[in-house]
Amino acid sequence: GNSVTQMEGPVTLSEEAFLTINCTYTATGYPSLFWYVQYPGEGLQLLLKATKADDKGSNKGFEATYRKETTSFHLEKGSVQVSDSAVYFCALNSGGSNYKLTFGKGTLLTVNP
Amino acid sequence: DGGITQSPKYLFRKEGQNVTLSCEQNLNHDAMYWYRQDPGQGLRLIYYSQIVNDFQKGDIAEGYSVSREKKESFPLTVTSAQKNPTAFYLCASSANGQGIEAFFGQGTRLTVV
Repeated sequence: GNSVTQMEGPVTLSEEAFLTINCTYTATGYPSLFWYVQYPGEGLQLLLKATKADDKGSNKGFEATYRKETTSFHLEKGSVQVSDSAVYFCALNSGGSNYKLTFGKGTLLTVNP
Repeated sequence: DGGITQSPKYLFRKEGQNVTLSCEQNLNHDAMYWYRQDPGQGLRLIYYSQIVNDFQKGDIAEGYSVSREKKESFPLTVTSAQKNPTAFYLCASSANGQGIEAFFGQGTRLTVV
């Protein structure tokens, strides 16, 4: 079956630090990969996605590259802000008869001023 | 504005009572999902529906029931058979297809006392 493994948090950084959150996956076929963000007390919002190998998703300064050879989709940002403090989820969906998302356990990021 | 609406935001129930969580979407999406979120557990899929009048069990369906009589609506009932119902519940919808992201509601926090 499909699975997603994220680095465990929490991650605490100072403002303007470099961020990496690791994500690896196991899936049948050729999955699409997503990063979602959840701010306190809210639902999830799509941050970025990639649908095929070597695609790079990017949004709001965040980037992730779909690496099929290492089955990875690591999230990076060059300079984090306090407002980036949230929980980040890596997810995938694959084809076949359904397209439901499989999520990692989430990584809590706290950015201090 | 198009979106997905969950109500209520907070819900309190006594142990042994059934409770129904509402989820409505006006995005014209075929697929809808219910997830449960617990600290450190990430998101776990309860039920999903790819088309009206049809739904499938997810990974943790025991103690829950759903219906999909209308495309816009996918209510979740938490029954008295659910042993640990206190959690944050998230509803999502999407078009069917690989690489298509899901849109999430704001969530309902259910507390059973």
